[in-house]
Amino acid sequence: GQQLNQSPQSMFIQEGEDVSMNCTSSSIFNTWLWYKQDPGEGPVLLIALYKAGELTSNGRLTAQFGITRKDSFLNISASIPSDVGIYFCAGRKTSYDKVIFGPGTSLSVIP
Amino acid sequence: DAGVIQSPRHEVTEMGQEVTLRCKPISGHNSLFWYRQTMMRGLELLIYFNNNVPIDDSGMPEDRFSAKMPNASFSTLKIQPSEPRDSAVYFCASSFSPNGEQFFGPGTRLTVL
Repeated sequence: GQQLNQSPQSMFIQEGEDVSMNCTSSSIFNTWLWYKQDPGEGPVLLIALYKAGELTSNGRLTAQFGITRKDSFLNISASIPSDVGIYFCAGRKTSYDKVIFGPGTSLSVIP
Repeated sequence: DAGVIQSPRHEVTEMGQEVTLRCKPISGHNSLFWYRQTMMRGLELLIYFNNNVPIDDSGMPEDRFSAKMPNASFSTLKIQPSEPRDSAVYFCASSFSPNGEQFFGPGTRLTVL
């Protein structure tokens, strides 16, 4: 079964608002990944994190590797309609383990 | 540059029929992954190959599922016989190495009636 939890499960926000979502695990991970999936497409990697406490940005997106190594956060600033999609966190416990995906956060942006 | 190519994009079949999903990874990538996505279970890794060799097939649900990678540019995922509970979107992804960034294909939406 899945070992990652994401919250919220879904979000409806107004265009221009900031977005925050998180991902938690009962286990320690050494890699956290954030993907976005557009309708009818496969997931696309947004940000990769490899070190506890690391804060990485990609345009309006910022993700952080939690210091406990059991969580990660993704923030989107000034949301726009094309931010709509499902955001997945994913993690790897060690370099030799497979990537495990969370259940996703569905984001809807109201123009 | 072409990304990961999957075919067919949609497949509708009847229970008991054999289904074959196809994937062409990005040229130069040595690792290939097959995932299944459902509402109930999310995105699950079924199997992955490195240099055409299956490395971890622990996610393959049961013996009805099999995957092959006869060469570096082609892989198949076969379900025989198919069942309604196999209905899902199946993704193929590839990367330069098992730990590298995975690039996903557009997926095959399978419906088993």
